[in-house]
Amino acid sequence: EPEVTQTPSHQVTQMGQEVILRCVPISNHLYFYWYRQILGQKVEFLVSFYNNEISEKSEIFDDQFSVERPDGSNFTLKIRSTKLEDSAMYFCASSLNHYEQYFGPGTRLTVT
Amino acid sequence: GIQVEQSPPDLILQEGANSTLRCNFSDSVNNLQWFHQNPWGQLINLFYIPSGTKQNGRLSATTVATERYSLLYISSSQTTDSGVYFCAVEGGADGLTFGKGTHLIIQP
Repeated sequence: EPEVTQTPSHQVTQMGQEVILRCVPISNHLYFYWYRQILGQKVEFLVSFYNNEISEKSEIFDDQFSVERPDGSNFTLKIRSTKLEDSAMYFCASSLNHYEQYFGPGTRLTVT
Repeated sequence: GIQVEQSPPDLILQEGANSTLRCNFSDSVNNLQWFHQNPWGQLINLFYIPSGTKQNGRLSATTVATERYSLLYISSSQTTDSGVYFCAVEGGADGLTFGKGTHLIIQP
């Protein structure tokens, strides 16, 4: 069964550094999303992406964040200058028809 | 934005017991999904159920969209069912809004 994959599974970075989280959505899906979950809290929506542009973003998704689909398979989330409070699990998701969303296993980002 | 309330927040059961988890939402939805977050943090899709009833093995779910709630039933619980169960809804925007989850512990 096709699945969403994410790399790396765990990323440790120093405050102020740039980090890129990578996702490979399910191959025929058209809608792509990023979510984050701070430890012990609920999952929060960051951004959705369709037809090579952002379709919606939350208040969390400020100028420090950007997304890109650099080729036909990858979908990336970049954090330009990481802060301690960016430490969280980041989930990528994809959807064929903007309804049921399939989540990847997550990347645990630790900012020190 | 849309509000999602899950109950109970915590539930401790013995292996073999049945349980019902509830999700209330504040507005009409286009999408409702149930997830199980395992101890490794992975979100496992359980059901896509904006309305109606579905069953998958020992799990079933019912959403009554007109009354803005969904129920997840787990029968004959096993220790591997432990984890956090999230309800998430989408009501016109792109992103899912998650509830705070129900933390389920199944004791042997």
